[in-house]
Amino acid sequence: EAQVTQNPRYLITVTGKKLTVTCSQNMNHEYMSWYRQDPGLGLRQIYYSMNVEVTDKGDVPEGYKVSRKEKRNFPLILESPSPNQTSLYFCASSSGLADYNEQFFGPGTRLTVL
Amino acid sequence: RKEVEQDPGPFNVPEGATVAFNCTYSNSASQSFFWYRQDCRKEPKLLMSVYSSGNEDGRFTAQLNRASQYISLLIRDSKLSDSATYLCVVKGYQKVTFGIGTKLQVIP
Repeated sequence: EAQVTQNPRYLITVTGKKLTVTCSQNMNHEYMSWYRQDPGLGLRQIYYSMNVEVTDKGDVPEGYKVSRKEKRNFPLILESPSPNQTSLYFCASSSGLADYNEQFFGPGTRLTVL
Repeated sequence: RKEVEQDPGPFNVPEGATVAFNCTYSNSASQSFFWYRQDCRKEPKLLMSVYSSGNEDGRFTAQLNRASQYISLLIRDSKLSDSATYLCVVKGYQKVTFGIGTKLQVIP
């Protein structure tokens, strides 16, 4: 089954404790992206990757890191989480950024930073 | 001005009603347009792409007006299962921007 998976689905952590949210897709997609979703603000892009070893900042990259060592994986790293990073996070992938390529989303990771 | 603007609603409509949502975008160089549907706390899923000529998929009709920089979604004969948040999505060069979504509640 074609899908985007994220782990963990739920995470409660404390300020400053490094964490990684994994994202994996099995559709051989080149483009992958991370979003956070907050009430009243909608989905905002954190980072995206056009292909292996190519990553770029989105609209809200501060406090996050990503890597793209393999095509299928695109982990999101929070080196020192803070309470303002409490949010719902989605990973997405698509076959590229050609005009009408659909983005496929993972199920989401609900992160709470205390 | 936000890049993509939507009325967050909620729109409460009775079953069988016709409801329309609009979305405006600020970047005239935007290249492609979509409506995504998001159920509560779940991932967004593509509802339909929006083409310049307008397009229809069953009870759903999407329109694009490039001159006025807005897109619309019309839902006819609303079903209870249409209750969700509808996200307007605009794609430009290497950039995808989501609106905050319009919440629809269809009432029996």
